[in-house]
Amino acid sequence: DAGITQSPRHKVTETGTPVTLRCHQTENHRYMYWYRQDPGHGLRLIHYSYGVKDTDKGEVSDGYSVSRSKTEDFLLTLESATSSQTSVYFCAISDPTRGHGEKLFFGSGTQLSVL
Amino acid sequence: AQTVTQSQPEMSVQEAETVTLSCTYDTSESDYYLFWYKQPPSRQMILVIRQEAYKQQNATENRFSVNFQKAAKSFSLKISDSQLGDAAMYFCAYRSPYGGATNKLIFGTGTLLAVQP
Repeated sequence: DAGITQSPRHKVTETGTPVTLRCHQTENHRYMYWYRQDPGHGLRLIHYSYGVKDTDKGEVSDGYSVSRSKTEDFLLTLESATSSQTSVYFCAISDPTRGHGEKLFFGSGTQLSVL
Repeated sequence: AQTVTQSQPEMSVQEAETVTLSCTYDTSESDYYLFWYKQPPSRQMILVIRQEAYKQQNATENRFSVNFQKAAKSFSLKISDSQLGDAAMYFCAYRSPYGGATNKLIFGTGTLLAVQP
C-alpha cells in the first residue's frame, strides 16, 4: 500500500471555527489531491497540487484553501467551517512519471463533523 | 463537462453468483480512461479495474471484468463468483486525457453491493 497518512481520522468541530486536515505521503509523488465524499454525490475534487507551492482548484473549492510547502505534505483548511462541510475527506496521490499509469492512491479518509 | 452516472444505488447478489453494476458517462472526448473503485466498510479506496478507451478489448482482473461499449458510453462491471468480501460501495470514475499528468477523476455516485451468504 502507498504510504499516505491522513490526520486526524475523525474530528468534530463547531460552526465558524477553522479546521486544518493534513495529508502526509512517503512516496515522493508529485501530485496530491483532496476529495470530499458525500452520499448521493460520490467523490468530488476540492483542490489539487502538481508540485510544491503549485495548487489549483477543483469542482467544489469554495470555502476551502490548501497549501503545500513540502512534497510530502498537503494541507486542507476550512477557514470558517459550516455544516455543509460535514463530510469524509480523502487525500490521494499520483505520479505518472513513475510508471503508475493512471492509478490514484488514496488515504484512509478523515470524517469531519461540523455542528 | 463530463458526467458519470450510476443508476443503481444498491444491488444484492448471492454468494457464488454473478452480478453486473452499471455505469454510463457523458463526454465529447474520444480518448479517456475509465475506472472502477471499491470502497469496503474500512473506507479504503481500492482500484478494481481500469479501461483505456482506445483499447477495444474489455479489461479483466481475475473475477472482475468490464463490458465497455464506447458508442453507448457504457462501462459496466461484472463480478463473477461473488464472495462475501466483495460487499462494498463501488464507484465508477472517468479521467479526461486532457488533464496533462494531473490525474483528476470524475466519480459517479456509487453502487452499494450486498453479498448474501
